Amino acid sequence: AQSVAQPEDQVNVAEGNPLTVKCTYSVSGNPYLFWYVQYPNRGLQFLLKYITGDNLVKGSYGFEAEFNKSQTSFHLKKPSALVSDSALYFCAVRDMNNNAGNMLTFGGGTRLMVKP
Amino acid sequence: DAGITQSPRHKVTETGTPVTLRCHQTENHRYMYWYRQDPGHGLRLIHYSYGVKDTDKGEVSDGYSVSRSKTEDFLLTLESATSSQTSVYFCAISGVPDRPNTEAFFGQGTRLTVV
Repeated sequence: AQSVAQPEDQVNVAEGNPLTVKCTYSVSGNPYLFWYVQYPNRGLQFLLKYITGDNLVKGSYGFEAEFNKSQTSFHLKKPSALVSDSALYFCAVRDMNNNAGNMLTFGGGTRLMVKP
Repeated sequence: DAGITQSPRHKVTETGTPVTLRCHQTENHRYMYWYRQDPGHGLRLIHYSYGVKDTDKGEVSDGYSVSRSKTEDFLLTLESATSSQTSVYFCAISGVPDRPNTEAFFGQGTRLTVV
């Protein structure tokens, strides 16, 4: 069975500093990986995905993620954090059941706190 | 929010009562999903649908049933609500006919409290 781990419950960073939110995965076969963000009392919003191709994926709001097959990681990054980036971030991997579309297995989530 | 509406948005119910949550989409996506979100667990899949009247169980399906009688609507029923089902429930959709590998889009969520 596939799984996703987000080893940090919370990440604290100062505004203007670079940020990294870590994600590791376990799947059989090639992974389809996603990052979502959740703001308070809202649903999940899609940030970016890795399907194939370049290991560095660029997404919404200046976020990017680096796929590393040897380390089975898909860390989310941003060069310069904003206070408005404070939210809950989820890493997810697509289930390889061909009958299930984009059915996802999620990590436990990482709360990002950006302080002024 | 990608044409997904969940209702109700908030509900308080008593232990032992049946509860139905509704997810309505206007995007003609093939796949629909119900997840629950609990602290420390992220989101876990309850049931999903891959077409009208085609559904299957997810990771945490015990105590839940679903129905999809038309493309737009996916209903989640708690047959006899228990306190362990207090959670935030999210509906998601994916897979338009010409772009089957699009990412999933999520509704706003339903906060359910079982007392």
